[in-house]
Amino acid sequence: GENVEQHPSTLSVQEGDSAVIKCTYSDSASNYFPWYKQELGKRPQLIIDIRSNVGEKKDQRIAVTLNKTAKHFSLHITETQPEDSAVYFCAASQGGNQFYFGTGTSLTVIP
Amino acid sequence: NAGVTQTPKFQVLKTGQSMTLQCAQDMNHNSMYWYRQDPGMGLRLIYYSASEGTTDKGEVPNGYNVSRLNKREFSLRLESAAPSQTSVYFCASKRSAGGDDTQYFGPGTRLTVL
Repeated sequence: GENVEQHPSTLSVQEGDSAVIKCTYSDSASNYFPWYKQELGKRPQLIIDIRSNVGEKKDQRIAVTLNKTAKHFSLHITETQPEDSAVYFCAASQGGNQFYFGTGTSLTVIP
Repeated sequence: NAGVTQTPKFQVLKTGQSMTLQCAQDMNHNSMYWYRQDPGMGLRLIYYSASEGTTDKGEVPNGYNVSRLNKREFSLRLESAAPSQTSVYFCASKRSAGGDDTQYFGPGTRLTVL
């Protein structure tokens, strides 16, 4: 099956700086890559996703990039704010029902 | 519109006891999922149901059974709980197997097996 690796496991940044989280996947058939944000004690919520026919997608301060050749994708958060502090998960899917998640990155934004 | 709901929120079991986790969605979604979340492990798929009347195993199905009762409800049963099943369980749903792939998660059930 698919194997998704996520780095780093923890990340601390100063407020206003950028944060980058990286994921790699093993199955070249994967074609859908969502990112979820999970605040402490809450449910995961989708923040952005990208499909394999697109190289980059932006939504305000959040962007995701995909390199299909290298089989990696990254989440970029610019102008970080304290409310961005959370655990972020990447995932990969072949567009069906099997989603494979990374192990999560705990992001802390220091005011 | 409540989205995805789960009961109970918390549960403590003794080894060997059984219980059923309930999940319901009111978004008219076809596909439903059960995940477990363990520290440092991310979310792992236990079982899923692509549509009413069908269920399939995910990554970690051993020790669990599921029932897709109708389009709205998808339950997860632990027949004989073990300490290794201590985890946070999330139910999720999405509109279909293809097309819009956004998964919506429930609030989770924190299960402790002693």
